[in-house]
Amino acid sequence: QTVVTQEPSFSVSPGGTVTLTCGLSSGSVSTSYYPSWYQQTPGQAPRALIYSTNTRSSGVPDRFSGSILGNKAALTITGAQADDESDYYCVLYIGGGISVFGGGTKLTVL
Amino acid sequence: EVQLLESGGGLVQPGGSLRLSCAASGFTFSTYAMSWVRQAPGKGLEWVSGINGGGDITYYADSVKGRFTISRDNSKNTLDLQMNSLRADDTAVYYCAKDRGTMIRGANWGQGTLVTVSS
Repeated sequence: QTVVTQEPSFSVSPGGTVTLTCGLSSGSVSTSYYPSWYQQTPGQAPRALIYSTNTRSSGVPDRFSGSILGNKAALTITGAQADDESDYYCVLYIGGGISVFGGGTKLTVL
Repeated sequence: EVQLLESGGGLVQPGGSLRLSCAASGFTFSTYAMSWVRQAPGKGLEWVSGINGGGDITYYADSVKGRFTISRDNSKNTLDLQMNSLRADDTAVYYCAKDRGTMIRGANWGQGTLVTVSS
């Protein structure tokens, strides 16, 4: 069973930079997993931020960026703002039409 | 503007069935893969099922395989999820999502519909 790992929680100061990661319980994440990232605030539907590792969805500010760092996919937020305080989820394509979400990271801006 | 509107959620007893629907508008429905993603109360997202644009190729998470069936009607721009043999751990908000492709899920999301499985 494929398990996608994310930090359960993270905190960043306003104006600071934070990097959230998305890994595999076994193996390395590469662009072949087409990592995508989503932002979700309480009571709302998820919003797509990044797809195919590093492509921003329409309307997403350029302070959100995606990459591969080492053996994980990464979401970097530069110049964090108060309204970036949300849950962030990654999803990986593992083949055979199957996608698996990570458990999510709760980001606090304080 | 892409719009996805889910319906059909509600309370159902364990072992029962429910059919969810998603009405899509604002894009050429038949050319996009679609997915269902769920979120149990207080938990994370779980991809449940996907279907290609033509409706002839379907995919399922192991947790629902054999119990759930995804389908679409491209003449009506609707996506369905037939859920049978429901269990308490199927309780969740179910989101309909427009995919960029089979490998890239969830470009756009509906607001979700709540399914509660309880006696």
